Amino acid sequence: RKEVEQDPGPFNVPEGATVAFNCTYSNSASQSFFWYRQDCRKEPKLLMSVYSSGNEDGRFTAQLNRASQYISLLIRDSKLSDSATYLCVVRLYNFNKFYFGSGTKLNVKP
Amino acid sequence: NAGVTQTPKFQVLKTGQSMTLQCAQDMNHNSMYWYRQDPGMGLRLIYYSASEGTTDKGEVPNGYNVSRLNKREFSLRLESAAPSQTSVYFCASRNRGNTEAFFGQGTRLTVV
Repeated sequence: RKEVEQDPGPFNVPEGATVAFNCTYSNSASQSFFWYRQDCRKEPKLLMSVYSSGNEDGRFTAQLNRASQYISLLIRDSKLSDSATYLCVVRLYNFNKFYFGSGTKLNVKP
Repeated sequence: NAGVTQTPKFQVLKTGQSMTLQCAQDMNHNSMYWYRQDPGMGLRLIYYSASEGTTDKGEVPNGYNVSRLNKREFSLRLESAAPSQTSVYFCASRNRGNTEAFFGQGTRLTVV
């Protein structure tokens, strides 16, 4: 079983739409959680960390549900520039390893 | 700031050839990582180094070796390249604690 699972998509949405991605993780010892964004043929870059109480950064909201072991990312008022692949990442407690989901592709259409 | 720098950016190898991928970071980070990314597979950890002088295997270490030359540099070596090693390779680094990893721009390797 993969450590981190994501729906690969693609999610095709019009500009201005709200879209949500979920990600599940298998190890309850996971401690740190992140969403990364990866543009085509580029390196992954941090979008936001995910905190236990949930957190927001502009149009982006991240939530963590430890009981059900999933993480979510909500994007409001989608822009064309939001088109990318979104990677869910977890780090296990006391381990130096990050585990990546295979990514969810988002296409925002005019 | 340069951040994480990888060389080369592109490489084509013949089966059986060897090569070393170089990675350097200028952020004084303790931990460094090598990942490979294949379509539909996400990023998979090959090797990592928690600190200077230590290295550990990740999920897919077979066919690779690494060297943590100093705090800045972490190299990945393919001793005898195989077509299954055709991939995009990313180096990353991070500091201690719940901090994120920073990635280099990647090396696109094709083994023919």
